[in-house]
Amino acid sequence: ETGVTQSPTHLIKTRGQQVTLRCSSQSGHNTVSWYQQALGQGPQFIFQYYREEENGRGNFPPRFSGLQFPNYSSELNVNALELDDSALYLCASSPRQGAGYGYTFGSGTRLTVV
Amino acid sequence: AQSVTQLGSHVSVSEGALVLLRCNYSSSVPPYLFWYVQYPNQGLQLLLKYTSAATLVKGINGFEAEFKKSETSFHLTKPSAHMSDAAEYFCAVSPGNTPLVFGKGTRLSVIA
Repeated sequence: ETGVTQSPTHLIKTRGQQVTLRCSSQSGHNTVSWYQQALGQGPQFIFQYYREEENGRGNFPPRFSGLQFPNYSSELNVNALELDDSALYLCASSPRQGAGYGYTFGSGTRLTVV
Repeated sequence: AQSVTQLGSHVSVSEGALVLLRCNYSSSVPPYLFWYVQYPNQGLQLLLKYTSAATLVKGINGFEAEFKKSETSFHLTKPSAHMSDAAEYFCAVSPGNTPLVFGKGTRLSVIA
């Protein structure tokens, strides 16, 4: 079984630009969550998608948006990039909603905003 | 609201010594608890999880953790540290149908 794959692995963008990060869920997983991990910090929840609908959101502004596709892959879009958006972005998939089923994390996308 | 406190941002042990990483949580309902490990420039790998079954949970790579409700703790231990255990460790909590809330992490260094 394949795990969670994220692309690209690294990205450099200029302040004010827009970025799209991609995530392929583990086979059989229909729930995807995105987390932001700033340097030296623990991951912070951005939002979660279940069957193509957003069903949970953390304390992030609307310029952070996402999509989930019928094959359960997902995108994270960030508009009007700010320097503080520089972080490791982690995608996690789960076979169902609910923490008891466990989450499988990808290796992340390192975003640097200059 | 849920929260996690990891005591000690950096822990250093000698190779072969006991590893103890501390985690205390706050949750309004019985929680699910997790320990993840992160190696440099990598994502998170699940070490173990507590889902209300046995209070002593065994994980991968010789790690285990004990859920103590009275102390609201879920400390991670390993009897004998290896050099390969050097990494960042994160404790996380979720009451169930909500996302994971992570602690700030503890960096483990292993000295030869």
